[in-house]
Amino acid sequence: GESVGLHLPTLSVQEGDNSIINCAYSNSASDYFIWYKQESGKGPQFIIDIRSNMDKRQGQRVTVLLNKTVKHLSLQIAATQPGDSAVYFCAESVEYGNKLVFGAGTILRVKS
Amino acid sequence: EAGVAQSPRYKIIEKRQSVAFWCNPISGHATLYWYQQILGQGPKLLIQFQNNGVVDDSQLPKDRFSAERLKGVDSTLKIQPAKLEDSAVYLCASSSRLSGNTIYFGEGSWLTVV
Repeated sequence: GESVGLHLPTLSVQEGDNSIINCAYSNSASDYFIWYKQESGKGPQFIIDIRSNMDKRQGQRVTVLLNKTVKHLSLQIAATQPGDSAVYFCAESVEYGNKLVFGAGTILRVKS
Repeated sequence: EAGVAQSPRYKIIEKRQSVAFWCNPISGHATLYWYQQILGQGPKLLIQFQNNGVVDDSQLPKDRFSAERLKGVDSTLKIQPAKLEDSAVYLCASSSRLSGNTIYFGEGSWLTVV
């Protein structure tokens, strides 16, 4: 579903700690999921994606976990840095990239 | 590789006026998208093109919004007449099967309707 309101959930972490950002997706038929990072005044930036035939995928400092049973997606960021501060969106698609539906977003704040 | 280019970056107009946004996708990307992002929310798809054909415009308010991609490359999104609730960031994005269908976004065009 679509998000409403201006009050995005916020995650505050200490620099160097690991971050876990969670997302509950809405459509059980979705087969493709993406995490985007959006810094203030910029467009969303692709971080990592995963298809529904996988439950884990790793990138550089990031890992995405998919639990289709409970329709849950998470993004783990290792050794969080101040440059990771941004709004993070999960997005889902039933047609591998087409008709991408975005979640509400989570603000990540990294404390130095 | 150059990213998705959009212009203008910022626009302020009065309600009932018209505005047009331009997008140049990543070279070779056949699929082009326009998204609307209202402050504090995730982007919402307005229209998707495959080359110069419309794939999905189900969420485009067609009474006031229009978009075209005549030569299958650049695209223009127009709003006429604008309403206060159209204040948002308009994001253009593109993708290609050859690039794994990853959707890449531009920096957005920020519209304020007063």
